[in-house]
This record gives sequence, C-alpha cells and structure tokens, in this order.
Amino acid sequence: EAQVTQNPRYLITVTGKKLTVTCSQNMNHEYMSWYRQDPGLGLRQIYYSMNVEVTDKGDVPEGYKVSRKEKRNFPLILESPSPNQTSLYFCASSPWPQAKSYEQYFGPGTRLTVT
Amino acid sequence: AQSVTQLGSHVSVSEGALVLLRCNYSSSVPPYLFWYVQYPNQGLQLLLKYTSAATLVKGINDFEAEFKKSETSFHLTKPSAHMSDAAEYFCAVSRYNNNDMRFGAGTRLTVKP
Repeated sequence: EAQVTQNPRYLITVTGKKLTVTCSQNMNHEYMSWYRQDPGLGLRQIYYSMNVEVTDKGDVPEGYKVSRKEKRNFPLILESPSPNQTSLYFCASSPWPQAKSYEQYFGPGTRLTVT
Repeated sequence: AQSVTQLGSHVSVSEGALVLLRCNYSSSVPPYLFWYVQYPNQGLQLLLKYTSAATLVKGINDFEAEFKKSETSFHLTKPSAHMSDAAEYFCAVSRYNNNDMRFGAGTRLTVKP
C-alpha cells in the first residue's frame, strides 16, 4: 500500500530535550515536506526537500532541523523543544516534479506536547 | 505569492442537505487548487484537485468543486450530506512548476441527524 508513515504518533516531552520525528514514504517521491497544524491557522510548512541532500526552509523553520540522506526518509529534528512547538505535525510527499502532479500525500500526524 | 481564504470556520448542515464550503484564492499565475478532508485523528486525504483541464471537478464521496476564475473561487459542494462527512476540510493552492502549497485555515463541517 502506498503510504507515508510517521513515528511516533503521540509524544509528550519536556523543554530542551532533543527529539526526532521520523517520516518515511514508499512511493519513490523526490519531494517531501513537513507541516505543523495549529487551530485557526491551517497547515504551515516547516521545511521541504526536493531530493536527497536538498532541503530548504518553509514558512516556519525556526527551532527545527531536517535531513534527507535517503529518498524515502525525511526526519524532523527538534534540538531544544519549547512549549510553543506544541502542535500537530504532518509529513507529506508529492509525485512532483517527476510527474506534473502537484498533490501531496500526508502521513497520519504526530501530536507533540512540550511541557 | 498565492494564498487561500476559507469563509466560515464552522458549517453545520442537516443530514441530506446541501453542503457548501467556500474557498477563495489569490494567485498571480494560474493556480492548481485542492480540497483535502481530515477526519478525527487522521492525516489529510485528497478529495479533489483542479489542474486546468476542466472547471467542474468531481472527487470522492460525491464531492465536487467548480473553478471560477472571475470570482477567484473554488467552492466545494455535495448534494446530500451524510453523517460520515463530518470532518475538517482544507482548501489549498499551488502554482505551476512550484510545489509551495498554501492551505486555508480549514472549515469544520458538522452534520446533524
């Protein structure tokens, strides 16, 4: 089954404790991205990646890092989480630009709480 | 840069009634438009997409949307609401040769029995 997976689905942590949220897709997509979803704000892009070793900032990159060492994986790293990073996080991948098809396919989400 | 405005953060309809969720976009170039649905505790699922082939787009679960360039709108409709349609709906816009997808704030649809 074609899918985007994320782990963990739920995470409660404390301020300053480094964490990583993993993301993997099995559709051979070059494009992957991370979003955060906050009430009333919709989804905002954190980082995206056009291919292996190619990443760039989205609209809200502060406090986050990413890496893309393999095509299928795109982990999100919070080096020193703070309470304002409490949010619902989604990973997504897209068939663009391999195909002229711009839709993105989303993982199930990771709900992060930072206390 | 492109952007999306969804009118109404909450919409409530009765089962069997027409569903109308409004979306207006802003884009300096011809846009690609999408509607996604998010059921509780799940990710976003693509309902339908507009890619300039036809102005009336049909999606899954009898949803459809019409692209109206003169009104810069892409409203989502369904003739008859079902209880299972209760979810949050997001309108999104991308542009040609750029996958910078921008989302609206979302509309939560409630379906009353």
